[in-house]
Amino acid sequence: AQSVTQLDSQVPVFEEAPVELRCNYSSSVSVYLFWYVQYPNQGLQLLLKYLSGSTLVKGINGFEAEFNKSQTSFHLRKPSVHISDTAEYFCAVIPFGETSGSRLTFGEGTQLTVNP
Amino acid sequence: NAGVTQTPKFQVLKTGQSMTLQCAQDMNHEYMSWYRQDPGMGLRLIHYSVGAGITDQGEVPNGYNVSRSTTEDFPLRLLSAAPSQTSVYFCASSYSMSGANVLTFGAGSRLTVL
Repeated sequence: AQSVTQLDSQVPVFEEAPVELRCNYSSSVSVYLFWYVQYPNQGLQLLLKYLSGSTLVKGINGFEAEFNKSQTSFHLRKPSVHISDTAEYFCAVIPFGETSGSRLTFGEGTQLTVNP
Repeated sequence: NAGVTQTPKFQVLKTGQSMTLQCAQDMNHEYMSWYRQDPGMGLRLIHYSVGAGITDQGEVPNGYNVSRSTTEDFPLRLLSAAPSQTSVYFCASSYSMSGANVLTFGAGSRLTVL
């Protein structure tokens, strides 16, 4: 089984400041990793994903994440945030070779609030 | 292109009542699933389906039933609602469930059970 821990439940920042949202995971097998974003009163949408290759992954809206296998982490970063980035962010993992979808595991979520 | 459509958006039930949350997708996706979202707990899988006529339980299936008679539709039934089922419910679909595929989510259904 795998688990995902998002280390901060809430992250308040000022506009144009950098931000890092932290995600650690635990799994006995190799995994694919995802970050999803949920804007207020909407469903989740994909921000970025890591499947293989370069450990630095770029996503939409200027976000990027770095996969660190030794530390089992997949932290999300943005160098300068905007008010419109205010949302809840979810980290998720699924094992290689999983085909049923039953083992896609989400973290608890991190609420990012960008203040003017 | 509507994507994943969920109805209703809001619902209030009394304990013991039954209801069905509807989910429809127009992308010809094989895989469909239902999640519930509760504060501080992320999303938890209730039931999922890998194709018409095939369903299986997720992490928290108790109190919920599903069926998949067509590729497009995947309704979630609450037979006897309980206050513990107060939550936001999301339907999600994917072309297939090989791990590299990305889920498309509906906008959610907020259910309150009194």
